[in-house]
Amino acid sequence: QKEVEQNSGPLSVPEGAIASLNCTYSDRGSQSFFWYRQYSGKSPELIMFIYSNGDKEDGRFTAQLNKASQYVSLLIRDSQPSDSATYLCAVKGARRGGSEKLVFGKGTKLTVNP
Amino acid sequence: GAGVSQSPSNKVTEKGKDVELRCDPISGHTALYWYRQSLGQGLEFLIYFQGNSAPDKSGLPSDRFSAERTGGSVSTLTIQRTQQEDSAVYLCASSSRTELSYEQYFGPGTRLTVT
Repeated sequence: QKEVEQNSGPLSVPEGAIASLNCTYSDRGSQSFFWYRQYSGKSPELIMFIYSNGDKEDGRFTAQLNKASQYVSLLIRDSQPSDSATYLCAVKGARRGGSEKLVFGKGTKLTVNP
Repeated sequence: GAGVSQSPSNKVTEKGKDVELRCDPISGHTALYWYRQSLGQGLEFLIYFQGNSAPDKSGLPSDRFSAERTGGSVSTLTIQRTQQEDSAVYLCASSSRTELSYEQYFGPGTRLTVT
């Protein structure tokens, strides 16, 4: 079983719609969860992080975490063509021997159509 | 301020040659990570440095790969006897590892092509 799994997509939504991106993880001891956005040919950039169960909102973005279900999602409201990118889910596991690496999913490619 | 920088931006090498990739992290960041990303794939963790602690090398795919971080700042990733499957974008990231945020700032990457 892969450690962090995402639907590779592509996910296509019309402009103004809500885009929903999902991620599951296998390590039940995982502590922190991150969503990165990566435009084609560019490096990833952090858009949201979440530690506690529930929702965290930042502008048009909402991250949702359910540790019991080992599930984290990202909602993008009022999607814009500029949101078209690959969204990477990353998980920081339980601390083992002091290492705190992030494990990334393969990403979901989102296309927002004008 | 200056972000993470990497050099070279592109590297084409022949199979069997050694290559060195360089990363300059953000000043003051104690944590430094190397990842690689093959076409259409996610980020594959390679190695992680944190301060003076022993690095986490658990992601290095073979003994042809090694990395150093001198003086707690600049890092060099070395790939010996390159193979075609080593072709990928190699990304470096650094982090200040605060309690509240774990944001990793990524450099622009080095695109390695092994012919």
